[in-house]
Amino acid sequence: DTAVSQTPKYLVTQMGNDKSIKCEQNLGHDTMYWYKQDSKKFLKIMFSYNNKELIINETVPNRFSPKSPDKAHLNLHINSLELGDSAVYFCASSHHMGGGSYNEQFFGPGTRLTVL
Amino acid sequence: AQKVTQAQTEISVVEKEDVTLDCVYETRDTTYYLFWYKQPPSGELVFLIRRNSFDEQNEISGRYSWNFQKSTSSFNFTITASQVVDSAVYFCAHTGEYGQNFVFGPGTRLSVLP
Repeated sequence: DTAVSQTPKYLVTQMGNDKSIKCEQNLGHDTMYWYKQDSKKFLKIMFSYNNKELIINETVPNRFSPKSPDKAHLNLHINSLELGDSAVYFCASSHHMGGGSYNEQFFGPGTRLTVL
Repeated sequence: AQKVTQAQTEISVVEKEDVTLDCVYETRDTTYYLFWYKQPPSGELVFLIRRNSFDEQNEISGRYSWNFQKSTSSFNFTITASQVVDSAVYFCAHTGEYGQNFVFGPGTRLSVLP
């Protein structure tokens, strides 16, 4: 019954590898997001998708590629992992874009990525 | 550019004390929304409140209250009679009317001691 789920919860990998994090929401929301939270707890939006279409693409290395096969899923693929990619990655969803009524973001539990 | 400042990096209080977490924002959006989220030690992010820019009414929810002052660009959060379970990192955030400029503040770590 989890509203926003992410897999895996923990991911430990070597530099240079390629990895993916999956996100699914069962809330029927139109918009999904990826955030990165660094070791100092600073949260930064990376991407947002609305109805499978990329809306926000912040300054993120192109080694990061989001993929939305359908409205309920937004996966994050990372190529050639670097030490600085170590962080907690949060997926979120909201009813629609913007901050209107009932449009708070619901967050997944996070994926802690450690690059060795 | 849009910016959210939470000047208090860490706050420690003793249980049952009242505590206010400050949030100051900068925006060029005419219509915008402000949020507070809680991140307890377990790591998940929990939505607390949303406020739109044209509604300056303060809000109270149990021990939580929020004071939105457009004139000072502040959206402060007060916990009354704090409890140990309130210990968490609290984030203030801003977004424009259409989801643009979504920015989180740096967070305030609140420790409530028994």
